[in-house]
Amino acid sequence: SQKIEQNSEALNIQEGKTATLTCNYTNYSPAYLQWYRQDPGRGPVFLLLIRENEKEKRKERLKVTFDTTLKQSLFHITASQPADSATYLCALDIEDSGGGADGLTFGKGTHLIIQP
Amino acid sequence: NAGVMQNPRHLVRRRGQEARLRCSPMKGHSHVYWYRQLPEEGLKFMVYLQKENIIDESGMPKERFSAEFPKEGPSILRIQQVVRGDSAAYFCASSPRGQGIGTQYFGPGTRLLVL
Repeated sequence: SQKIEQNSEALNIQEGKTATLTCNYTNYSPAYLQWYRQDPGRGPVFLLLIRENEKEKRKERLKVTFDTTLKQSLFHITASQPADSATYLCALDIEDSGGGADGLTFGKGTHLIIQP
Repeated sequence: NAGVMQNPRHLVRRRGQEARLRCSPMKGHSHVYWYRQLPEEGLKFMVYLQKENIIDESGMPKERFSAEFPKEGPSILRIQQVVRGDSAAYFCASSPRGQGIGTQYFGPGTRLLVL
């Protein structure tokens, strides 16, 4: 069956350090992968999208890598701040066999805590 | 430019009642998606709609759940005869183009509690 795995336990990082979150998937060949941030009681907020032919994508302090051979994406936050504390979700597009568009498939997310 | 709006933000229903969740997409967006998030679970896709059309409902339970996106007005997710297992956060997302091309913009969610 199709599966997306993210670190299920909370990740505690000291302020100023780099936080690295992992997203692994099986049985997919996604055209792109997305990362979202979700704060308690709120909806997910889009952060970055990386395509299958891109190895790396950056946006300010954020960096995403995408290894289609390993079926893995890494999400990095450099110079982390307490305000970065949130749950980070990995999402893939899943197309059905007919080529139609389906919704995104999300991992359960990793809860990141940046300690001052 | 207002984002995706959902109402109500919180909804309490007793078993057997009906729940209606509303979603107004971002201005200019004609594609709407509904997701459900159970406690300690990830977001699960339910249904994808365009104006007056259901494009993909592969994630919808076969019974009691329905969705619509009329020509005028918000998208509605309707749950009939709610049960306790329906308690969850329901999120709506919209996009300007069809899924498979770009990102989705999420609303704040409706938290449904079934007593």
